[in-house]
Amino acid sequence: DTAVSQTPKYLVTQMGNDKSIKCEQNLGHDTMYWYKQDSKKFLKIMFSYNNKELIINETVPNRFSPKSPDKAHLNLHINSLELGDSAVYFCASTRGNGPTTGDTQYFGPGTRLTVL
Amino acid sequence: SQQGEEDPQALSIQEGENATMNCSYKTSINNLQWYRQNSGRGLVHLILIRSNEREKHSGRLRVTLDTSKKSSSLLITASRAADTASYFCAPSSGGSYIPTFGRGTSLIVHP
Repeated sequence: DTAVSQTPKYLVTQMGNDKSIKCEQNLGHDTMYWYKQDSKKFLKIMFSYNNKELIINETVPNRFSPKSPDKAHLNLHINSLELGDSAVYFCASTRGNGPTTGDTQYFGPGTRLTVL
Repeated sequence: SQQGEEDPQALSIQEGENATMNCSYKTSINNLQWYRQNSGRGLVHLILIRSNEREKHSGRLRVTLDTSKKSSSLLITASRAADTASYFCAPSSGGSYIPTFGRGTSLIVHP
């Protein structure tokens, strides 16, 4: 059984388009995250979200918006896609509020986004 | 939040040799975690060490933590080709909800 799943696995699209990446976790976790991994392998946090609080990394453009229809889902919506948005996007979840207390992050398989 | 910095960026060894990777961080931590990322996959948790611990083992993995130097090391003993992956550390500070990662160490184990 997949713990954290993402769709699609690959996404190729034109500049200027709007797209969404979906994430679902079946672990009953309280907090979900979105990360961006660029070509140099840096893995950067974009958002952290639980049912009480959305924490945004201030460097993330407001074209990116997380949407959570329920506790098990955190989708990433991107408006007006740019070339620099090309990267692999990972969703993750933790049981509690985060690794401060030793929570393990469970990662999805990633979505490779290519903007042409 | 704070980010761990892994060193070296890349490491290439022969099967059977030991691999050591280091992680440095800037401020005091509650715990530090190590993750592995196989090519094209998500990260997988390996081990967590708390700030009051100095060493921890899990199978062929040994993690040390030196809070005075703000550094941690991950040792993989008797490496195997299947250990080829990128390894990331994630230091976690008090009150921080935002886990961050660096660039990782890319380990290649030649059969």
